Amino acid sequence: DTAVSQTPKYLVTQMGNDKSIKCEQNLGHDTMYWYKQDSKKFLKIMFSYNNKELIINETVPNRFSPKSPDKAHLNLHINSLELGDSAVYFCASSPRPGPSSGNTIYFGEGSWLTVV
Amino acid sequence: KNQVEQSPQSLIILEGKNCTLQCNYTVSPFSNLRWYKQDTGRGPVSLTIMTFSENTKSNGRYTATLDADTKQSSLHITASQLSDSASYICVVSAGSRTGGYQKVTFGTGTKLQVIP
Repeated sequence: DTAVSQTPKYLVTQMGNDKSIKCEQNLGHDTMYWYKQDSKKFLKIMFSYNNKELIINETVPNRFSPKSPDKAHLNLHINSLELGDSAVYFCASSPRPGPSSGNTIYFGEGSWLTVV
Repeated sequence: KNQVEQSPQSLIILEGKNCTLQCNYTVSPFSNLRWYKQDTGRGPVSLTIMTFSENTKSNGRYTATLDADTKQSSLHITASQLSDSASYICVVSAGSRTGGYQKVTFGTGTKLQVIP
């Protein structure tokens, strides 16, 4: 199936641990994103990559480090996890980074991270 | 500061009834506006997209309107079904129409519950 897929879907881990979430898209898109959805269901962008290059880096603690080995993959590594990192993390992709009307953002199914 | 406000925060309607969700935005320069549907435990899925010059767009039982002068949009759902129960998120893109990167602002969503 053509889609944005991310793993794992659920992750429960202890404070202080380091964890990674992987994301892959087979839509042939140039641009990929990581979003965080908090308990109030508000989606906020964390990072955006275009053709493996970082183009958006919102105010995110440097414990979060994205890595894009190629334009179809954007992984998120989180060091020294804190309780406040508990959230749903969505990977997404779009054909290109620009604001054109055809540039729909396609989302993965989300990764539920719980830090205990 | 770019903001997207949605109302109501939540809504319960009877199956078969119509409803209208509202979105007000202060995003500049405006590029386009999308409505997404997010089922519980899933990623958001695009329903409609409208640019500055469009004031109405339909997708089946979903009809979105846009008033670029008042910076308001609405999503009208006709003859609601149980499967319409979800969160509906208004998403506004800002960016130069001549290129560059789009900056996407998400609303906090309206949680719709359709009951039999």
